Amino acid sequence: AAGVIQSPRHLIKEKRETATLKCYPIPRHDTVYWYQQGPGQDPQFLISFYEKMQSDKGSIPDRFSAQQFSDYHSELNMSSLELGDSALYFCASSLGRSSPLHFGNGTRLTVT
Amino acid sequence: SQQGEEDPQALSIQEGENATMNCSYKTSINNLQWYRQNSGRGLVHLILIRSNEREKHSGRLRVTLDTSKKSSSLLITASRAADTASYFCATDADSNYQLIWGAGTKLIIKP
Repeated sequence: AAGVIQSPRHLIKEKRETATLKCYPIPRHDTVYWYQQGPGQDPQFLISFYEKMQSDKGSIPDRFSAQQFSDYHSELNMSSLELGDSALYFCASSLGRSSPLHFGNGTRLTVT
Repeated sequence: SQQGEEDPQALSIQEGENATMNCSYKTSINNLQWYRQNSGRGLVHLILIRSNEREKHSGRLRVTLDTSKKSSSLLITASRAADTASYFCATDADSNYQLIWGAGTKLIIKP
């Protein structure tokens, strides 16, 4: 069965650079979520989209933005990167709210 | 902010023993979900229990939900080395699309 695909798997950037993370949800899933997870931490919700419209916003910094495109893939854009942005970034998708989330394997971002 | 709390934070048991993890939450919910995460990997959904359910089974997993105490437990029976992972509970409240996550329990199964 198709899973959530994230790219790249690993990304190394320098401070003040920009990064773009991509997510391809499971086909026919209507909701996409972005999470940030620091080492040993629980996932921190960043933002979600329902049918390509932003549906909820969590602890996403103003330096970050996200969108979902007509083909349902989503991108998380991160600018003016800081050392503290180093983390695992997960995308998840679901079919409808109150349904289980299906996670990708994440993008590990390292900011040096 | 996260509302879920899990205990214990870490649990180390021998293979074959049962493992119990607990989750508490603060607001009324539609459902509560349990996820497993292997180190550096994505979370994997294990089981979902709705607010009108009290117990649910899936293979070696047993989940209970006590809405009066706002708590849930996850029992893994006959543990295996492959069960070594972090386990998170997440609650789905009525207000938005945002799951509220617990801090997780790190489970280590010793062979």
